[in-house]
Amino acid sequence: EAGVVQSPRYKIIEKKQPVAFWCNPISGHNTLYWYRQNLGQGPELLIRYENEEAVDDSQLPKDRFSAERLKGVDSTLKIQPAELGDSAVYLCASSLLRGNEQFFGPGTRLTVL
Amino acid sequence: ILNVEQSPQSLHVQEGDSTNFTCSFPSSNFYALHWYRWETAKSPEALFVMTLNGDEKKKGRISATLNTKEGYSYLYIKGSQPEDSATYLCALDRGSTLGRLYFGRGTQLTVWP
Repeated sequence: EAGVVQSPRYKIIEKKQPVAFWCNPISGHNTLYWYRQNLGQGPELLIRYENEEAVDDSQLPKDRFSAERLKGVDSTLKIQPAELGDSAVYLCASSLLRGNEQFFGPGTRLTVL
Repeated sequence: ILNVEQSPQSLHVQEGDSTNFTCSFPSSNFYALHWYRWETAKSPEALFVMTLNGDEKKKGRISATLNTKEGYSYLYIKGSQPEDSATYLCALDRGSTLGRLYFGRGTQLTVWP
């Protein structure tokens, strides 16, 4: 069974540029999560989807971050424009249902110069 | 802000040594405690999901215990091997925000041959 797939694995951009991350969850998993891990910190939830509906986006900085999960499968997280403080690892996870074990992708390491 | 604390922050041991880490969390509104192992450049891998006070789980040389009344969990590794080198993360799932994981900062373990 394929795991959670994320791309790209690494991204280096200059500040004020846009960037997008893509996630393909495990087949059949209804719940999808985006986390951000800043250096020296634990991952923090940005947004959670139940199928195509964003049900928990209270931690998403909505002025520059946006996310979508079309058709309740793949998801894209976008930052526009990126700031220096956005440098972090962005993790995607999925679970069969809310509250079940979460399976993580390898993450995208973003560096903003 | 919900504090999930892990200690120590880092640990260096010799091959064959046994070791243990601590995860402490607020005991109110407990639903589950997750342990993950995260090797560099790989996806975080779920080790245990623990839900019951007094729970003990084991996977090979790794085991974990849970005390929900006092709000802590211990992770033990018996006879550490170099391949155990990774960051070990614990994460709290609260009943009131089911599905959102609150992560600690992790314990970075290095096992020297």
